[in-house]
Amino acid sequence: QITLKESGPTLVTPTQTLTLTCTFSGFSLSTSGVGVGWIRQPPGQALEWLALIYWDDDKRYSPSLRSRLTITKDTSKDHVVLTMTNMDPVDTATYYCAHREVDYSVSPPFYYFDYWGQGTLVTVSS
Amino acid sequence: SSELTQDPAVSVALGQTVRITCQGDSLRTYYTSWYQQRPGQAPVLVIYIKNKRPSGIPDRFSGSSSGNTASLTITGAQAEDEADYYCESRDSSGDHVVFGGGTKLTVL
Repeated sequence: QITLKESGPTLVTPTQTLTLTCTFSGFSLSTSGVGVGWIRQPPGQALEWLALIYWDDDKRYSPSLRSRLTITKDTSKDHVVLTMTNMDPVDTATYYCAHREVDYSVSPPFYYFDYWGQGTLVTVSS
Repeated sequence: SSELTQDPAVSVALGQTVRITCQGDSLRTYYTSWYQQRPGQAPVLVIYIKNKRPSGIPDRFSGSSSGNTASLTITGAQAEDEADYYCESRDSSGDHVVFGGGTKLTVL
């Protein structure tokens, strides 16, 4: 059974750096094709993809936030860390991590988020 | 702004059929996933690739695509289907994930 859980501060001051940890179980980030992604959702708004890291350490970032984001993995500890610099009140959102699976039955291979964490609300305020 | 466009809101009478659409140029090349999000909950995958359903998703949910448009169809909508629905695919470069703006489904 795959589970993921986000952890980190609930309140961040403007200009600070946010560090979020996604702790998972039920899969290994060493398994070919597997990834973990971060997605956020401001209150009352749509989902926004932030970053992805794959089993081979391939990393992808949202083009609009690339300069502020860093994603890393610790395979031995089964967790993924996302850092976001220079936080602003508009970054107030629920932050989710999710398991990225791959289906090789189609070309190109198809990736999707099949398991999600419960999310953690981060408020940016002075 | 999202590269995937969804209608902000759709309504359906209980037991009737509703189609939720997602448009984008990248959909001519890449398949789509669909997620259901009930208030206060995390998204749940309901459809992936064209028409695959994860275990536990009712068969009243189905997916299709044509040209630059992907569709999620609920045949015989139930009260518990009232939720926000998001499509997800890749952007035009193929390198990044993109979500649609979401569609709020109301079951009357």
